[in-house]
Amino acid sequence: EADIYQTPRYLVIGTGKKITLECSQTMGHDKMYWYQQDPGMELHLIHYSYGVNSTEKGDLSSESTVSRIRTEHFPLTLESARPSHTSQYLCASSGSGLSTDTQYFGPGTRLTVL
Amino acid sequence: KNQVEQSPQSLIILEGKNCTLQCNYTVSPFSNLRWYKQDTGRGPVSLTIMTFSENTKSNGRYTATLDADTKQSSLHITASQLSDSASYICVVSDRGSTLGRLYFGRGTQLTVWP
Repeated sequence: EADIYQTPRYLVIGTGKKITLECSQTMGHDKMYWYQQDPGMELHLIHYSYGVNSTEKGDLSSESTVSRIRTEHFPLTLESARPSHTSQYLCASSGSGLSTDTQYFGPGTRLTVL
Repeated sequence: KNQVEQSPQSLIILEGKNCTLQCNYTVSPFSNLRWYKQDTGRGPVSLTIMTFSENTKSNGRYTATLDADTKQSSLHITASQLSDSASYICVVSDRGSTLGRLYFGRGTQLTVWP
């Protein structure tokens, strides 16, 4: 089992609240990713990072922001949550080197915005 | 447009039976193809990975095949167990960037009945 953790696992909040989804990995991986997944749909990459102080936007436009101050930590923040942000958010990491490195996923955070 | 299509969308089989899941892709250039298993409420876990030169790979009761000429892959599950109930996701990586961009299928939802 991969050593990548996400908290909280479930979150129900009201519109307009600021939230931070936590993601940590203990594998020393340089690359980290955030995906958004709706039921029955494919994963969409919303943010990724090559390493400390590196962050990039993914394929799916997202109002969230990320930071990478430490190798093991890649939190995602929503400044003002809206019902359209309701989804499952998956964090992943992979080692540096060839693009064949497998991504290891966390258990996900299921976010519901009322 | 780079795409990954999976079929069937859902499948119900009886415990002990075999089944085959299909994946067709149009991703180019091609780097590798992975099959992931995603249990409900959990993050995906890698089952197999195949590069261009590999046409079959096994992981216990899971056997994946790849035909790079027709851009098709299959995942065969032998002697299914109740714990095989999950979504199986086909993921194709291109060689277009150092990130090794991933293209996700929507998954096949497998249910194994006793």
